[in-house]
Amino acid sequence: KAGVTQTPRYLIKTRGQQVTLSCSPISGHRSVSWYQQTPGQGLQFLFEYFSETQRNKGNFPGRFSGRQFSNSRSEMNVSTLELGDSALYLCASRFLREVFYEQYFGPGTRLTVT
Amino acid sequence: AQRVTQPEKLLSVFKGAPVELKCNYSYSGSPELFWYVQYSRQRLQLLLRHISRESIKGFTADLNKGETSFHLKKPFAQEEDSAMYYCALSDIYNQGGKLIFGQGTELSVKP
Repeated sequence: KAGVTQTPRYLIKTRGQQVTLSCSPISGHRSVSWYQQTPGQGLQFLFEYFSETQRNKGNFPGRFSGRQFSNSRSEMNVSTLELGDSALYLCASRFLREVFYEQYFGPGTRLTVT
Repeated sequence: AQRVTQPEKLLSVFKGAPVELKCNYSYSGSPELFWYVQYSRQRLQLLLRHISRESIKGFTADLNKGETSFHLKKPFAQEEDSAMYYCALSDIYNQGGKLIFGQGTELSVKP
C-alpha cells in the first residue's frame, strides 16, 4: 500500500496570507488527523476528520480549519498567517476497524511564514 | 490536565548498554499509551503500544498505572536505535484519533 502523502512538501508564505495543505490517506483509511510540530511546543493535535465530519479539535484558534472529502482526502487551511505558524504540519491516517488502531504519518509539509 | 512528560531531551549511551527512556502521563480517562519513533530523515512511526504488549526491535514498555508511567526499555542498545522517541497517549474509547505527545527524547547510541 502506498503511504500517507502530503502536498506540498515545502511552502513559504508571507504574514497575512492564507495557505491550504493537502493530505491523502492510505487507501481504505477514513480517519485523518492533523498535527503541528514546532521546536518549542512539540507535536500538537489540530483536528481529526472521519467520514467528512470533524470528530475532535485541539486548542488552536479559528484561523486553523480543515475539511475532508468523500474520498477521505483532507485539507487544512490556515488564514491570516502569523510568524508563529511556521512549523512542520503532519497528517496521519488510520483504519478504524482495526482493534488496535495505529496512526500512520505522512512526511509532513514544512511551512515557513516570513 | 492531559499531559505527557518526557523528562530527558537527550539520552546518550554506548552500544551494548541498557536504555530506559522515561515517560510519565496525566490523564483522567482511559488512556492507551504508545511509543513513536522518528529515525533520521524518516517519518514518524509507531514503535509499540501498551495494549498489544509486544516487544519491537528489543524494546519493551510496561504501563504502571500507580506511578502513571510508561517507560521504554531495551537491555542492549544498538547504534541503529539512535532516533527521536515520543511517548503518546490517546483515549481508547472517546478520542482515539487524538494523540497527546510528550516533547520527545533524542537517543544517541555511541559505538
